[in-house]
Amino acid sequence: DVKVTQSSRYLVKRTGEKVFLECVQDMDHENMFWYRQDPGLGLRLIYFSYDVKMKEKGDIPEGYSVSREKKERFSLILESASTNQTSMYLCASSPAGLDEQYFGPGTRLTVT
Amino acid sequence: DQQVKQNSPSLSVQEGRISILNCDYTNSMFDYFLWYKKYPAEGPTFLISISSIKDKNEDGRFTVFLNKSAKHLSLHIVPSQPGDSAVYFCAASALGGTSYGKLTFGQGTILTVHP
Repeated sequence: DVKVTQSSRYLVKRTGEKVFLECVQDMDHENMFWYRQDPGLGLRLIYFSYDVKMKEKGDIPEGYSVSREKKERFSLILESASTNQTSMYLCASSPAGLDEQYFGPGTRLTVT
Repeated sequence: DQQVKQNSPSLSVQEGRISILNCDYTNSMFDYFLWYKKYPAEGPTFLISISSIKDKNEDGRFTVFLNKSAKHLSLHIVPSQPGDSAVYFCAASALGGTSYGKLTFGQGTILTVHP
């Protein structure tokens, strides 16, 4: 069965902290994605990766960076957390050549 | 610039009736469309999709219709069940499988099905 896991379900951080969100998939998928979900705005793409060590900016990359050192793992980094980064963060993966994405359960991040 | 729009934030339907969720897009390069369903505290799950070469795709109680000239698609759920209550996201991709699977999502529609 397809599985995408995220390191935390809930996270509370202080303004200015460096935050790491981890995502692991066990499906040997080439593509991995990070989104944030906010009410009324839907899912917005932050970054994606189509191969190990490859990354591309999505629609809202400002304030974020990513790392993909291994095929199964894609990390989202908030260099200096701010209150406007309080959101639900969703990780997804998909195989090369296919558009259907499989999502993890999400991390609810609160920055105070 | 919202390239995929779901203009109805919410929809309320009686159990057994039809639910119709709508989605509009502006990018003519989109050629593959998907619907996802999301329950609270869970990630979205894939529901149904349609390629731009078709105008209808059916899977059990779920049917997606695509009107390319109007840049409009809709999801029909018949009959609606209380377990269908969730947030539904429309998504689109361009150039099929050569875009690294990048999807553009709409804002979502909250469907509530009353018993």
